Amino acid sequence: GAVVSQHPSWVICKSGTSVKIECRSLDFQATTMFWYRQFPKQSLMLMATSNEGSKATYEQGVEKDKFLINHASLTLSTLTVTSAHPEDSSFYICSAIMGQGFEKLFFGSGTQLSVL
Amino acid sequence: QKEVEQDPGPLSVPEGAIVSLNCTYSNSAFQYFMWYRQYSRKGPELLMYTYSSGNKEDGRFTAQVDKSSKYISLFIRDSQPSDSATYLCAMSGQGAQKLVFGQGTRLTINP
Repeated sequence: GAVVSQHPSWVICKSGTSVKIECRSLDFQATTMFWYRQFPKQSLMLMATSNEGSKATYEQGVEKDKFLINHASLTLSTLTVTSAHPEDSSFYICSAIMGQGFEKLFFGSGTQLSVL
Repeated sequence: QKEVEQDPGPLSVPEGAIVSLNCTYSNSAFQYFMWYRQYSRKGPELLMYTYSSGNKEDGRFTAQVDKSSKYISLFIRDSQPSDSATYLCAMSGQGAQKLVFGQGTRLTINP
């Protein structure tokens, strides 16, 4: 299957700092990328959907000013957690889709964020 | 009430056993039902997806959907240690754009 690379795989930061997570589709152009968050013992929750060159669409309850998403190209989307606090500590995972269909949706390996 | 409920386990069975994994859901608008497998420190990989009710078989894996009961299942026959992973159910009413996931069930197959 296609490869979606997510970096870094884990990050520890101090409260108040910003953290950037990258999501790249390595061997295909992604029409849309998605960002999910997973707290311990909870399900993956969709945070936002981003299309190249346009503003991201955020799910209800997700602060767009705190979770900045930039989708600069068909192969790269970034999620920046601004002024991170301990309650932002979570597992963040991206996915990318080429075209339509569930078999064309591929996930990154995720980023574990720990905010001290 | 969560839209999708999945027993997180952990579930541990001997090699060769038949494994049954299940999810229930509350949103009757869901039309697409997926099962993903996730190995440690990897992203979820699509195993199977089904549209509406019915069964679908792929090798040792069988997916069942009962929309009248809002209940879906994944059966694994002749389970192997390599099947040890977390299995996630996911559902959607409108394609891959809006997936709603269960918590995932951690499965261990013991040699």
